[in-house]
Amino acid sequence: GDSVTQMEGPVTLSEEAFLTINCTYTATGYPSLFWYVQYPGEGLQLLLKATKADDKGSNKGFEATYRKETTSFHLEKGSVQVSDSAVYFCALRGYASGGSYIPTFGRGTSLIVHP
Amino acid sequence: DADVTQTPRNRITKTGKRIMLECSQTKGHDRMYWYRQDPGLGLQLIYYSFDVKDINKGEISDGYSVSRQAQAKFSLSLESAIPNQTALYFCATQDGRQETQYFGPGTRLLVL
Repeated sequence: GDSVTQMEGPVTLSEEAFLTINCTYTATGYPSLFWYVQYPGEGLQLLLKATKADDKGSNKGFEATYRKETTSFHLEKGSVQVSDSAVYFCALRGYASGGSYIPTFGRGTSLIVHP
Repeated sequence: DADVTQTPRNRITKTGKRIMLECSQTKGHDRMYWYRQDPGLGLQLIYYSFDVKDINKGEISDGYSVSRQAQAKFSLSLESAIPNQTALYFCATQDGRQETQYFGPGTRLLVL
């Protein structure tokens, strides 16, 4: 079945450091890929997405490129801020029977940014 | 006002009690989901519904039931709560023509 694997956290960085959170996936067909962010005490919200190979999703300084050859969708940011401290989830659109689809989430990676 | 609301936000209950968590949405989405979140395990899908007459089990449905009372309302029940159901529960909605999910703020449940 479909699956998403993320690097384990927490990832601890100083402000203005470069961020990479690795995400790889296993899926049938050609899934869409997502990064969601969960700030403390809140629900998840979409950060960015990519719907086909070589697409780059971007938002709030974060970027991720859909790499079909390596089945990866790594999240990057050039200069993190304290306000980026959150849990980040990689996800894909999977396929259920009957042609409908349900999302599959990774386990989440906690990011802690120190001043 | 929030598009996806969950009540209650926090709940403490005892083993064996029946409880209901409620989710309401004003986004007009046809699809609704219930997840639980445990530290280090990410999100696990409990149940999902693609319209009022469609209910489907997720990966961890045992011990839970749901009711889709209307397009805007999707309730999760724990018939007889047990301590390992202590978790953070999220409701999410989705437009069937789109891919993005929209999450509520969560309900933190503690079963003693």
